Amino acid sequence: SQTIHQWPATLVQPVGSPLSLECTVEGTSNPNLYWYRQAAGRGLQLLFYSVGIGQISSEVPQNLSASRPQDRQFILSSKKLLLSDSGFYLCAYSEGGSGANVLTFGAGSRLTVL
Amino acid sequence: GQNIDQPTEMTATEGAIVQINCTYQTSGFNGLFWYQQHAGEAPTFLSYNVLDGLEEKGRFSSFLSRSKGYSYLLLKELQMKDSASYLCAAMDSNYQLIWGAGTKLIIKP
Repeated sequence: SQTIHQWPATLVQPVGSPLSLECTVEGTSNPNLYWYRQAAGRGLQLLFYSVGIGQISSEVPQNLSASRPQDRQFILSSKKLLLSDSGFYLCAYSEGGSGANVLTFGAGSRLTVL
Repeated sequence: GQNIDQPTEMTATEGAIVQINCTYQTSGFNGLFWYQQHAGEAPTFLSYNVLDGLEEKGRFSSFLSRSKGYSYLLLKELQMKDSASYLCAAMDSNYQLIWGAGTKLIIKP
């Protein structure tokens, strides 16, 4: 069966510190992978998506970056966090290829930057 | 521009029926999704409509009118566990999802 793991679940980081959120998918090959941020009262904001290893598309200019070192691994990073980076981050995957594929989300990572 | 509108919050009574509306404007259209999200948890898929009409799935049904840019999610026989946010998302011509801010549904006994 297909599963998605995302960690850490919560973290509190000082301004200017680095960030690494990790996401792995099991039970599927060549998935499309996504990083979203969810702010209170706003729709899900797509940050990055990837259709294959090393292929990253950025939707919003910011101090975050993403990498896909392996087929089923997606990492969200920052070298220096800002206060505005606080939020709920969600990793998701869909079956590979284009089309109206259903997204399956990880449990989320709640980041608080102080 | 692309836009999704849905009510911010709704309240309903346990055992009753509630309809959550969603209107959308997108560049092209490849379907309309509904997701359920309990507080502090990840969204989970409920339904997908790409053709006009009503799709029924147990207590939940979803309707789409492409000509009106309109969808609704209908929840019957409401249970306390249905208290959650319901997210509407439309897929544009590039297969990108445009998300609404979500409707928080409060169920009262």
